[in-house]
Amino acid sequence: SQTIHQWPATLVQPVGSPLSLECTVEGTSNPNLYWYRQAAGRGLQLLFYSVGIGQISSEVPQNLSASRPQDRQFILSSKKLLLSDSGFYLCAWSKMGVSNQPQHFGDGTRLSIL
Amino acid sequence: SQQGEEDPQALSIQEGENATMNCSYKTSINNLQWYRQNSGRGLVHLILIRSNEREKHSGRLRVTLDTSKKSSSLLITASRAADTASYFCATDARGSRLTFGEGTQLTVNP
Repeated sequence: SQTIHQWPATLVQPVGSPLSLECTVEGTSNPNLYWYRQAAGRGLQLLFYSVGIGQISSEVPQNLSASRPQDRQFILSSKKLLLSDSGFYLCAWSKMGVSNQPQHFGDGTRLSIL
Repeated sequence: SQQGEEDPQALSIQEGENATMNCSYKTSINNLQWYRQNSGRGLVHLILIRSNEREKHSGRLRVTLDTSKKSSSLLITASRAADTASYFCATDARGSRLTFGEGTQLTVNP
């Protein structure tokens, strides 16, 4: 069966520090991968979308970047965190090339910027 | 603005009652999906309904889709305290990239 791992679960970082959040998927090949951010009590905002290694689409201008160094690994990064980067970050995957498919989510990382 | 918008924003019911949540969207879709999120956790996929379907069931869940009104509803029958969560609809107007609504916070009181 397929699983998705996301870490760390919580992170407290000072303003101006770097960030690296990692997400890995097991049990499937060539997944679509997604990074979302969720503000408290709100819906999900899509940040990045990837259909393959090295192929990243950015959905909104921001202080963050994403990379996909391996087929099932998706990394969210920042060189210098801002207060506005606080939030709940979720990674998800779906089957590539197949329509009408659900997305499968990790358990998220709660990021607090001080 | 968000493609999907849920209504109500919050719903509080007693155990055993039915809960109905609604979702409206703006553009044409191939499918609409419902997800559940427990506090502080990731989203869990509940059900997917295709644009050519009008109703779908899964256990205590019943989803309807009215493409002429661009709306969907999620009905949870005989609710339990464990159903307490946020529920989101998501549409695929942009293919594999889903657009999520703001969610309905459901509280089921024992």
